[in-house]
Order: sequence, then structure tokens, then C-alpha cells
Amino acid sequence: NAGVTQTPKFRILKIGQSMTLQCAQDMNHNYMYWYRQDPGMGLKLIYYSVGAGITDKGEVPNGYNVSRSTTEDFPLRLELAAPSQTSVYFCASRAHVRDRANQPQHFGDGTRLSIL
Amino acid sequence: AQSVTQLGSHVSVSEGALVLLRCNYSSSVPPYLFWYVQYPNQGLQLLLKYTSAATLVKGINGFEAEFKKSETSFHLTKPSAHMSDAAEYFCAVSTNQGGKLIFGQGTELSVKP
Repeated sequence: NAGVTQTPKFRILKIGQSMTLQCAQDMNHNYMYWYRQDPGMGLKLIYYSVGAGITDKGEVPNGYNVSRSTTEDFPLRLELAAPSQTSVYFCASRAHVRDRANQPQHFGDGTRLSIL
Repeated sequence: AQSVTQLGSHVSVSEGALVLLRCNYSSSVPPYLFWYVQYPNQGLQLLLKYTSAATLVKGINGFEAEFKKSETSFHLTKPSAHMSDAAEYFCAVSTNQGGKLIFGQGTELSVKP
């Protein structure tokens, strides 16, 4: 009963390095999301996808890129890591039910990223 | 635009006392509202959701929330706190645009023995 799986759980990067945060879900959900969580700020949406091949920007997309080649996977790419990207990153997925925005999102356990 | 405000970044209660976590929302359309809980070093777990079927919503672990349109509120309550309730709680409103969630800032609940 995996749900949403994020890898790695922890990572330390140097400024200017790049990396990809992986996210996979096994619930056949069409909708997937990437959030970052900073202390006292709640969660902010970075990017989201409503299906394979379709992605869109959220509230804080600068410095990140995403792709969605399959329904299951939604990786998040940091090209030039900056200290401001030190955060906890959460991936989530949601079932799509026509005209029903009340479907809950299911979250992974997060990736804790430090950039030094 | 939709928004969520959680009053109080930190709430402390004694074990057995009433838990009240406040959430106010702003929405130009009927909202879908959620409460999530986050335990240390874990992801967010759904506590309950409001879907307009009933104004009083019951969730897991004895929590419930009441939707009050006139007050634009969706406060979370539990009659008797347990030590295991210590966690961070997030209120969120959903948009119809891609089902995106707008989160409040979170409230950290501490439970004293």
C-alpha cells in the first residue's frame, strides 16, 4: 500500500549544483502537485499537473522545473541550487472526479533539502 | 482569490482539555475546506473535509469541524486532548482550478501532561 513515494528523504547540495527530486504514486491519480514547506509559512505550490504531458506553474515556480511523461511519476528538477531553496518538499496526488474539487490530496513523506 | 488564515501559530492545552484550532477562509465561491495533520518528519494526513453535505464534519481521531458561512470559519475541535494529538495542523481551501490547495500557515498543537 505505497501511495505517494518520494526519494530521497534527505539531501545536502552545494550552491549551483542540480538535482531531481523523485515522486511516484501507485493510485492511478491524474493530478499531482509539488509543494515546499518553510517554517511558519504553510505549504506553497510550486508546480502541478493534471495529467501526463500537462504541467502548470503554481505560486512559487522560479528556480524549478517539472515534467510528467507518465501518470505515475512527477519529478521536480532544481537546475542551479540556491540557499533560498533550502526547504522541505512534498509531493501529492489526487483523484480526478468530474466537477468535484473536494477530492483530498494524498501526500508523500517529504524530501528535506539543504543547500549550503 | 481564495485564502486561509489560521489564528495562532501555536496552541498549548492540557491533556483532557478541549482543543480548538481556528481557521477562517476567504472565497468568492462555495469553498471546499480541509484539515490536515502533520506529525514530525512525516507528510500531511487528511483529518476531515467539508463538501457542503453537512455543516458539522466528523473526522479521524475524534476531531470535528463546523462550517459557518456567516463567519467564514471552519474551526477544528476535539473534546478531550490526548498526548498523541501533538502535531501541526493545517487548514486548506480547494480551488476548482486543478483542485489546488491554498494552505493556512499552520498551528502547532502542544499537549501538556
